[in-house]
Amino acid sequence: EPEVTQTPSHQVTQMGQEVILRCVPISNHLYFYWYRQILGQKVEFLVSFYNNEISEKSEIFDDQFSVERPDGSNFTLKIRSTKLEDSAMYFCASTTVKGGATQYFGPGTRLTVL
Amino acid sequence: SQQGEEDPQALSIQEGENATMNCSYKTSINNLQWYRQNSGRGLVHLILIRSNEREKHSGRLRVTLDTSKKSSSLLITASRAADTASYFCATDGASGGSYIPTFGRGTSLIVHP
Repeated sequence: EPEVTQTPSHQVTQMGQEVILRCVPISNHLYFYWYRQILGQKVEFLVSFYNNEISEKSEIFDDQFSVERPDGSNFTLKIRSTKLEDSAMYFCASTTVKGGATQYFGPGTRLTVL
Repeated sequence: SQQGEEDPQALSIQEGENATMNCSYKTSINNLQWYRQNSGRGLVHLILIRSNEREKHSGRLRVTLDTSKKSSSLLITASRAADTASYFCATDGASGGSYIPTFGRGTSLIVHP
């Protein structure tokens, strides 16, 4: 069964450094999402992406964040200057249609900012 | 906010027993979904129920939706130790056109062998 993959599984970085989290969505999916989950808290929506542009974004997704689909398979989340509070699990998800469809989640990247 | 909130926060049962988790939300929805998350892992989609549906089954899972009460329940029958996980409901809203699912804080289920 096709699945969403994410790399790396764990990323440790120093505060102020840039990180890029990578995702490979399911190949025939058209909508892509990033979520984060701070330890012990709920999953929070960051951004959705369709047709090479951002569809929706949350208040969390400020100027420090950006997303890109650099080629036909990868979908990346960049944090320009990491803060301690960016430490969380980051999940990528994809789906075939915008609404009312199952979102398939990747296994997540655990980001630790020191 | 149309955020779903699960109840109870934690549930501990014996293998073979049924587990019932509830979700309440605040505003009209298009769909409600239930997800499972094993510790430190990604979310696995379990069931999607649309606002015009009242009940759905998938294997040992049964989901009900009561839009008049703005609530949903997830029933896991004949639970197994492998069902130990956190369970989340996620709603996406009928108002504003957003289909972004909003997650609750989850119910932590422990099934003792």
